[in-house]
Amino acid sequence: EVQLLESGGGLVEPGGSLRLSCAASGFMFSTFAMNWVRQAPGKGLEWVSCITGNAGRTFYADAVKGRFTISRDNSRNTLYLQMSSLRAEDTAFYYCAKADVNVGSCPSSVDYWGQGTLVTVSS
Amino acid sequence: DIVMTQSPDSLAVSLGERATINCKSSQSVLASSNNKNYFAWYQQKPGQPPKLLISWASTRESGVPDRFSGSGSGTDFTLTISSLQAEDVTVYYCQQYYSVPYTFGQGTKLEIK
Repeated sequence: EVQLLESGGGLVEPGGSLRLSCAASGFMFSTFAMNWVRQAPGKGLEWVSCITGNAGRTFYADAVKGRFTISRDNSRNTLYLQMSSLRAEDTAFYYCAKADVNVGSCPSSVDYWGQGTLVTVSS
Repeated sequence: DIVMTQSPDSLAVSLGERATINCKSSQSVLASSNNKNYFAWYQQKPGQPPKLLISWASTRESGVPDRFSGSGSGTDFTLTISSLQAEDVTVYYCQQYYSVPYTFGQGTKLEIK
């Protein structure tokens, strides 16, 4: 059974930093690209970032480029999102999301999602 | 960026009737290299993460009831629920994964008439 368990969310002041983690299990982690998708409370879905299975390529939404860094440790089956220079508009539930296609590349729908971790940016 | 526009924003349908949600992309998401539409539909219930219903515009995911179907190509796509059930009343999103950023539509809220 595929499981994705996010952690690391919380309250942070504007300009601060936070690192999210996602522990994956139930599938061959290194062969799937992984995404972060966020959702502000009561709002729609926003794709944030994707990393290929071998971590060779990363992709970002313009809204977070230069501030967020996606990474993964395939030996630990864990996905990360390092967030810095946080802004109020980054407040959202952050979902760890597994790519649907087993080719390791990013263009893919998402077939499994974690339950999300809430990041609140406020003073 | 490819802009995904869903219509309508909300839709009220009687139980047992057909529900149709549309999604239009600002650019084609059909890849000429493999003739695949890089397009998906998701369902999201309150307090839950989204659930993948349809990928590649028309491929139903395993376990998704066959009353859900996806159609369309290029820039115009449709999600059809052939006979609305009470458990289908929630929010639906489309997404393109043709080019970064992999944008979502704004969502369509489906309600019972």
